[in-house]
Amino acid sequence: GQQLNQSPQSMFIQEGEDVSMNCTSSSIFNTWLWYKQDPGEGPVLLIALYKAGELTSNGRLTAQFGITRKDSFLNISASIPSDVGIYFCAGRYSGAGSYQLTFGKGTKLSVIP
Amino acid sequence: SQTIHQWPATLVQPVGSPLSLECTVEGTSNPNLYWYRQAAGRGLQLLFYSVGIGQISSEVPQNLSASRPQDRQFILSSKKLLLSDSGFYLCAWSGHGGRETQYFGPGTRLLVL
Repeated sequence: GQQLNQSPQSMFIQEGEDVSMNCTSSSIFNTWLWYKQDPGEGPVLLIALYKAGELTSNGRLTAQFGITRKDSFLNISASIPSDVGIYFCAGRYSGAGSYQLTFGKGTKLSVIP
Repeated sequence: SQTIHQWPATLVQPVGSPLSLECTVEGTSNPNLYWYRQAAGRGLQLLFYSVGIGQISSEVPQNLSASRPQDRQFILSSKKLLLSDSGFYLCAWSGHGGRETQYFGPGTRLLVL
């Protein structure tokens, strides 16, 4: 089946620093999504990507859909304490009848004030 | 706008007892619905998904079951809970179109003792 490798597993950074995390897949995806999950809550969608090479921003967040369609990157600029949480990537292969997302295992971000 | 609810928010149940978790969606019709389990705050495991009333697909064999008695209602059940059923259960919905972003509910924390 499809597998997603998300790295790093965790990060400790100083407030104000930039953050970068990525996901790689063993298969080609047609959609990449990035979610953030705060403790005890459901994941919230941050950015959705639908085309290879697409670069999309949402405030201080920027994500890119890799040209090979097997990877995606999320960058956070000038981190602040509320960026703390777990970030998940998810990909979807648009095969016939496929509704499922494959999720990475998450990157746990800690921001030191 | 669409809203997804989960009930209850937290549940403590003894081993061997039954389970019923409810998920309801507002503001959309004929959504795809999903149940995920998340253990130890990381990694989402898809348990069931439904593309319509009465249509349930199971992703992993287990002692859990799902039902969709109404268009916007998705229920996760068990006749006899196991210790290993403890975790954070997330419901999600998506549309049927090609860009099937999934939106998550707030989750139910289940502790089986």
